[in-house]
Amino acid sequence: DTAVSQTPKYLVTQMGNDKSIKCEQNLGHDTMYWYKQDSKKFLKIMFSYNNKELIINETVPNRFSPKSPDKAHLNLHINSLELGDSAVYFCASSQDQREGFNEQFFGPGTRLTVL
Amino acid sequence: AQKVTQAQTEISVVEKEDVTLDCVYETRDTTYYLFWYKQPPSGELVFLIRRNSFDEQNEISGRYSWNFQKSTSSFNFTITASQVVDSAVYFCALSEAVYSSASKIIFGSGTRLSIRP
Repeated sequence: DTAVSQTPKYLVTQMGNDKSIKCEQNLGHDTMYWYKQDSKKFLKIMFSYNNKELIINETVPNRFSPKSPDKAHLNLHINSLELGDSAVYFCASSQDQREGFNEQFFGPGTRLTVL
Repeated sequence: AQKVTQAQTEISVVEKEDVTLDCVYETRDTTYYLFWYKQPPSGELVFLIRRNSFDEQNEISGRYSWNFQKSTSSFNFTITASQVVDSAVYFCALSEAVYSSASKIIFGSGTRLSIRP
């Protein structure tokens, strides 16, 4: 059974388009995250949600808007895509961070290519 | 500010050699957590180990071992008798303990390990 799933796995689109990436976890975790991994493999956190509430927003352009309809889902919507948005986007989840830190479980990643 | 440094960008060894991946971290917190993740060529991120700042015991898991030394702010990872399947990018990461609602992991830049047959 997949613990953290993301769709789509690959996304190729033109500059200026709007696209969404979906993430779902079936681990019963309260906290979910989005990370961006650039072409040099550098991984950086973008957002964190705890039980549908935004708790971390790491100076990401406001073209990126996360949405958490429930604590098992955290979707990422990107408006007006730019070339620099090309990257692999990872979703992750962990148990409630307020109870002490637990390891994060990552989804398989979504490779976004903006042409 | 928190920081994780993996000075070795790429390492290449012949199969069966032992290899150590270095990780040095900076934090002002007295309570924190350290992690290692593996990213094989298939791209997924695989959790390997978590260590909290109060537990300096070294850990061994099969061919993998970790050496945590607070005195030098290092958390090094050694693979003994390396195998081709160990080829991957390895990330060291640091997180501060959470007593409010927010925490985050800071990743190092990764070390690409290539094991040659």
